[in-house]
Formats: sequence, C-alpha cells, structure tokens
Amino acid sequence: KAGVTQTPRYLIKTRGQQVTLSCSPISGHRSVSWYQQTPGQGLQFLFEYFSETQRNKGNFPGRFSGRQFSNSRSEMNVSTLELGDSALYLCASRTSYEQYFGPGTRLTVT
Amino acid sequence: KNQVEQSPQSLIILEGKNCTLQCNYTVSPFSNLRWYKQDTGRGPVSLTIMTFSENTKSNGRYTATLDADTKQSSLHITASQLSDSASYICVVSARDMRFGAGTRLTVKP
Repeated sequence: KAGVTQTPRYLIKTRGQQVTLSCSPISGHRSVSWYQQTPGQGLQFLFEYFSETQRNKGNFPGRFSGRQFSNSRSEMNVSTLELGDSALYLCASRTSYEQYFGPGTRLTVT
Repeated sequence: KNQVEQSPQSLIILEGKNCTLQCNYTVSPFSNLRWYKQDTGRGPVSLTIMTFSENTKSNGRYTATLDADTKQSSLHITASQLSDSASYICVVSARDMRFGAGTRLTVKP
C-alpha cells in the first residue's frame, strides 16, 4: 500500500499571500489530521477530518482552514501568510489503532 | 505547561552505546502512549504503542516501558547505530493526542 503523500514538498511564499497544501491518505483511511511543526513549538495539532467533516480543531487562528473530499483527500489552506507560519506541515491518516504520517510540506514565508 | 515532558532535550552518544530517553506525562484519562522516530525533514514513524495495561514493548533495538502509576515512559535504544540519529517524540492519547517536544539524538562514529 502506498503511504501518505503530500504535495508540494517545498514551498516558498511571501507575507500576505495564501497557500494550499494537499494530502492523500493511505487507501481506505477516512481520517486525516494536519499538524504544524516548528523547532520552538514542536508538533501542534491543527485539525482532523473524517468523512468530509471536521471532527476536531486545534488552537489556531481562522487563517488556517481545511477540507476533505469524498475520496478522503484533504487540503489545508493558510491565508494572509505571516513569517511565523514558516514550518513543516504534516498530514497523517489513521486507523482506529495507528496514525501514519506523510513526509510533510516545508513552507517558508519570506 | 506541556502535559507531555521529554528529557533530555538533546543527547549525543557514540555508536554502539545504549541510551534511554524519558517521557513524563500528566494527560488524563490515558488511552495509549506512542513513541515516534522522526528523521530530519521527514514525517514521524511509529516505533511502539502501549496501552494502559502494557509495561513494555519492543521493536528491534528499541524497547519502550510504561509505568501508568507514575505516568512515566522510557525508550531504550540498544547498540546504537548512526541511523538512530533522529528526533524521538512521545505522544500520549487521551481525548486527543498530546505531543512531547521531542529528544534530539545524535549518534557519532
């Protein structure tokens, strides 16, 4: 089975722009979660989607949003980018027992 | 205060040596505890997962222990290899998942 895939792997944006990241879960997995990882804060939970519905949400501003499609693929959008949004964004799909992470998208905001 | 505390923050050891990483948590109620290995620039990969009733779980040279009474877990790495250089993240699941900040391990030849 193919693992979790994320596109793009690397991205450079300027302040004020918006960005959309994509995640394809492992086939058959219906739950997709997004995380932000920075050297100072570690891994922080953004949100989780299950069957196209947002099930949980972390403590992030409304500039961070997401959605999930009927094929379980998910997108995450960040609007009005700030320098502090520079991070590794990880997507994970899960079963009831285990969570599998993708390789991440490295976003740099200049 | 983070509900999952890991120590040390970073560790340097020589190839072939053993090491132990610590994870203390205050998350409650407790569902399970996982250890992940994360290579630089990659996503975390699961090493072990333990439920409340499990005291120890091994995965090759990695052995995790759990004391649910004291809310402590450790990850022991035996006969370290250069490829063990990575960050090791402790994750405790309750109603949601709580992440430790990780321990950065460097194995030197």
